[in-house]
Parts: sequence; structure tokens; C-alpha cells
Amino acid sequence: QQQVKQSPQSLIVQKGGISIINCAYENTAFDYFPWYQQFPGKGPALLIAIRPDVSEKKEGRFTISFNKSAKQFSLHIMDSQPGDSATYFCAASLGLNAGGTSYGKLTFGQGTILTVHP
Amino acid sequence: SQTIHQWPATLVQPVGSPLSLECTVEGTSNPNLYWYRQAAGRGLQLLFYSVGIGQISSEVPQNLSASRPQDRQFILSSKKLLLSDSGFYLCAWSGGTPMGEQYFGPGTRLTVT
Repeated sequence: QQQVKQSPQSLIVQKGGISIINCAYENTAFDYFPWYQQFPGKGPALLIAIRPDVSEKKEGRFTISFNKSAKQFSLHIMDSQPGDSATYFCAASLGLNAGGTSYGKLTFGQGTILTVHP
Repeated sequence: SQTIHQWPATLVQPVGSPLSLECTVEGTSNPNLYWYRQAAGRGLQLLFYSVGIGQISSEVPQNLSASRPQDRQFILSSKKLLLSDSGFYLCAWSGGTPMGEQYFGPGTRLTVT
């Protein structure tokens, strides 16, 4: 029930195209859903995050769409650029308000390797 | 602003040798601290987390241990390394905000030979 399933495992997009990565979760108590971007040999960097009280959040070219009833959320990268080529991870947690016992522990998806061709 | 450091950046150790990886956070106080392991460049597994000095919770039984001797210092240790301990070790911190945003350090690449 703690799993987060991410798809696809890899994605190839042409420059200027839209990259879409999907995640599904099982634990309905999750209330925080971040996305991380990781370049080879580097630590993951927080990209964008959403709480389940909104269905969409946009920051620049990055948008999270959230479907609470389907227990799914996705990352959309508009106008994809070669510099966006990286591994993307979705994650979910109970946040820090779940009775003081979750401590913000993140459950990660398995990652999507995005390649944007010039 | 907050900064998280990890060292060493890379480490090659023989099987059976001890391990000590260090993580420190600057610019914040009383952070939650986390150790993750990433194998083969995919998937992060939470190993330990700490909500205060001397308070350590283990997520996965294994050959590793963690300690938090100071508020902003988190150490990952092993008495005897196994081949399966190889991986990319990441430290993260969160500042106790309602969203619980976690920020990762640069990582340590450990190769056990």
C-alpha cells in the first residue's frame, strides 16, 4: 500500500515537444506529491510539488496534474529542451501532519529517464 | 540560505572494511534528516531518518547504522562492508514545513570491491 508506480521507464521526446510522466499511488493517506529531477552523478533536485486539495499546479514549463479519485498524478514538461534530459522521480508522503508519525518520509517511484533530442 | 554537504564524494572500500559517511546541513536548525540509497541510478530507498539528536529510526534491516551526534550532523556507518552495500548514498533534510519539502545533498558514490 506504500508503493508509487511510475511510467514510462524511459521517454524520448523531440525538442519543443511535451514530455508526460505518470505516477499512481495506493495509499489514500498520502497528502504531498513532489517531483524530483536528477542529473547523472548528482543528488535529486526538488522540481515541483502538489497537495491533493488542488488538481493542477504550474511552474514555468512544468505542470503537475493531480487526479485524487484515480489516485494518479503526472508531470508535464512543455516545450521540452535538451537540457531537460535527466531522470525524473515522483514521490509521495504522508507529510508532517499525519499524527506526528510520518516525519515526511518519501516513497519514490522507480524513475523515468527522459531524453530530449535537439 | 540552507546548504547540505556530504563527504566523501566517492569512496572505494574492500569487503569487510568499516564505513563512515558524513552529512551536515547549514542555515537551519532542528532539521529532519534522512539517509537514502540509490542503486544502479534508479529508485531511492529510505534507510534511516532522524527527527533530533540521538533519535534514529531504521526503515530497512541491513548492514548499516546511523547516528546523529549534533543537530545538523548525520552519519552513516558500517562495521563490515558487503558487496551489496555498493551504491549512491544520499542525505536529505526537511525543515518541518507543512509540505515537508525534502532537499538532497550531492551524494556519495560507494563502491565495495
